[in-house]
Amino acid sequence: AQSVSQHNHHVILSEAASLELGCNYSYGGTVNLFWYVQYPGQHLQLLLKYFSGDPLVKGIKGFEAEFIKSKFSFNLRKPSVQWSDTAEYFCAVNASSNTGKLIFGQGTTLQVKP
Amino acid sequence: DTAVSQTPKYLVTQMGNDKSIKCEQNLGHDTMYWYKQDSKKFLKIMFSYNNKELIINETVPNRFSPKSPDKAHLNLHINSLELGDSAVYFCASSQSDRGMNTEAFFGQGTRLTVV
Repeated sequence: AQSVSQHNHHVILSEAASLELGCNYSYGGTVNLFWYVQYPGQHLQLLLKYFSGDPLVKGIKGFEAEFIKSKFSFNLRKPSVQWSDTAEYFCAVNASSNTGKLIFGQGTTLQVKP
Repeated sequence: DTAVSQTPKYLVTQMGNDKSIKCEQNLGHDTMYWYKQDSKKFLKIMFSYNNKELIINETVPNRFSPKSPDKAHLNLHINSLELGDSAVYFCASSQSDRGMNTEAFFGQGTRLTVV
């Protein structure tokens, strides 16, 4: 069965620290990859996505992610976090055999201390 | 000008009641979804409709019945509510393109509390 695994469940950082959140998926075919963010009490918003092409994708708010096919990974990075980045981060996969269905990781809670 | 809107935002109801959550999208997408987010914030798909046709029906109790009157609307009706149904329900939409979909846009969620 397809699955998505986020290694870090709860991350606490100080402002200006660098961030890397891990995401691995289990599916051997073509995939679309996403990172969504959920600020407290709000809906999910798309941070960035990978469909094809350059495996290093840049998203909103200074986030980027790198797709490494050989490692089935799509890690999220930000060089310098801000207090306003405190939120829940979800990695998600849409596999070609599942029309539109997103399989989510369990989420990572990021807490940035001012 | 909300892209995906759900009503109500909060819903508190007693066990055994029947309730509905409505969802509308104005993005012109052809695919809509219902996701459930549990107390541990884990998100799981429940249903998906493409052009009003049910295409995904995960293992969900048949007390849950989605209805799509048109491409822009996907409602969720829940019969005989149970305590375990308490969760946040997210509606989403996307556009299909040769078997793959664009990114999904999510509504603001409906926090359902069954007491």
